[in-house]
Amino acid sequence: GENVEQHPSTLSVQEGDSAVIKCTYSDSASNYFPWYKQELGKGPQLIIDIRSNVGEKKDQRIAVTLNKTAKHFSLHITETQPEDSAVYFCAASTGRNNRLAFGKGNQVVVIP
Amino acid sequence: EAQVTQNPRYLITVTGKKLTVTCSQNMNHEYMSWYRQDPGLGLRQIYYSMNVEVTDKGDVPEGYKVSRKEKRNFPLILESPSPNQTSLYFCASSSGTAGEKLLFGSGTQLSVL
Repeated sequence: GENVEQHPSTLSVQEGDSAVIKCTYSDSASNYFPWYKQELGKGPQLIIDIRSNVGEKKDQRIAVTLNKTAKHFSLHITETQPEDSAVYFCAASTGRNNRLAFGKGNQVVVIP
Repeated sequence: EAQVTQNPRYLITVTGKKLTVTCSQNMNHEYMSWYRQDPGLGLRQIYYSMNVEVTDKGDVPEGYKVSRKEKRNFPLILESPSPNQTSLYFCASSSGTAGEKLLFGSGTQLSVL
């Protein structure tokens, strides 16, 4: 099945700097790649997603880039703010019924 | 307001005592799913349902049951809970195909003693 890996596991950035989280996936047939943000005590919330026919997508301070050849996709957060501190999960659709396989999550800490 | 509602929020039980975690969505979504979240392991899918009366196993279905008798509800049943099922559980639903644009509930923290 699909294997999704996230790096780094923990990322600390100064407020105002950019943060980049990278995910790699194993199944070349995967065609949908979402990113979820999980704040403490809450369920994951979709923040951005991209399909395999698109190389980049942007929504205000958040962007996702996809490299199908290398089988990796990245989340970019610019001008980080304290409220960006959370756990971020990437995922890739796979196999029968396009089920999502999630990565293990990245803890992002924005230092004021 | 569109939401996925899970109950209870916290649950402490003992080994072998059957329990049910309820999940309800108010968006008429066809797709619903259960996940468990464990430290260092991320989110793993337990069961999912593509529509009423259609359910299928995810990655970690052992020890769990589900049913989908009506579109809005998707309860998770632990017939004989064991300590290794202590975890944080999330229900999710989607209007898209399968895992697209999932909306998650707030979670159920289960402890099995």
